[in-house]
Amino acid sequence: KAGVTQTPRYLIKTRGQQVTLSCSPISGHRSVSWYQQTPGQGLQFLFEYFSETQRNKGNFPGRFSGRQFSNSRSEMNVSTLELGDSALYLCASSLAGRGSPLHFGNGTRLTVT
Amino acid sequence: QQPVQSPQAVILREGEDAVINCSSSKALYSVHWYRQKHGEAPVFLMILLKGGEQKGHEKISASFNEKKQQSSLYLTASQLSYSGTYFCGTPSGNTGKLIFGQGTTLQVKP
Repeated sequence: KAGVTQTPRYLIKTRGQQVTLSCSPISGHRSVSWYQQTPGQGLQFLFEYFSETQRNKGNFPGRFSGRQFSNSRSEMNVSTLELGDSALYLCASSLAGRGSPLHFGNGTRLTVT
Repeated sequence: QQPVQSPQAVILREGEDAVINCSSSKALYSVHWYRQKHGEAPVFLMILLKGGEQKGHEKISASFNEKKQQSSLYLTASQLSYSGTYFCGTPSGNTGKLIFGQGTTLQVKP
């Protein structure tokens, strides 16, 4: 079974630009979550989508948004990039619900200059 | 509320044991454990459920103390491959959202 696939692996953007990251979950997984990982803050929850609906959102500004398509693939968008948005963005898929393990992709390393 | 992990870092020799703790100020119903090797994605280790049921697939054990609102991960006879950063995660709400601890870095030396 193929794992979680994130594209692109690396991105370099300048302040003020916007970026879209993509995530393809494991086949059959309906839940997709996004996390931001930085050395200082660790793993911070961004949002979770299930069957195309956002079920939960973390404490991030409205510049961070996402969506999920009918095939469970998900995208997240960050508009008006700031230097502090530089991080590893991890996508994780799971079957559904609270008791399901998360399966992480390798992440997208975003650098904002 | 973010769970608190201790210790922050551990250095071991091969064959030695280690315990990593994860404590929460809120009632715990389940705890997830993940390991992340440098430059790689976090990998699921196990879930500890209220009532003592454990779900996992690696030869690493864990306990879940509901009264103390704490979970402990036990690494026995550590191997070089155990090196990495260990995260505990606690569910928030009845969704897939996890709140992760700050991580414990484990280094196993030959």
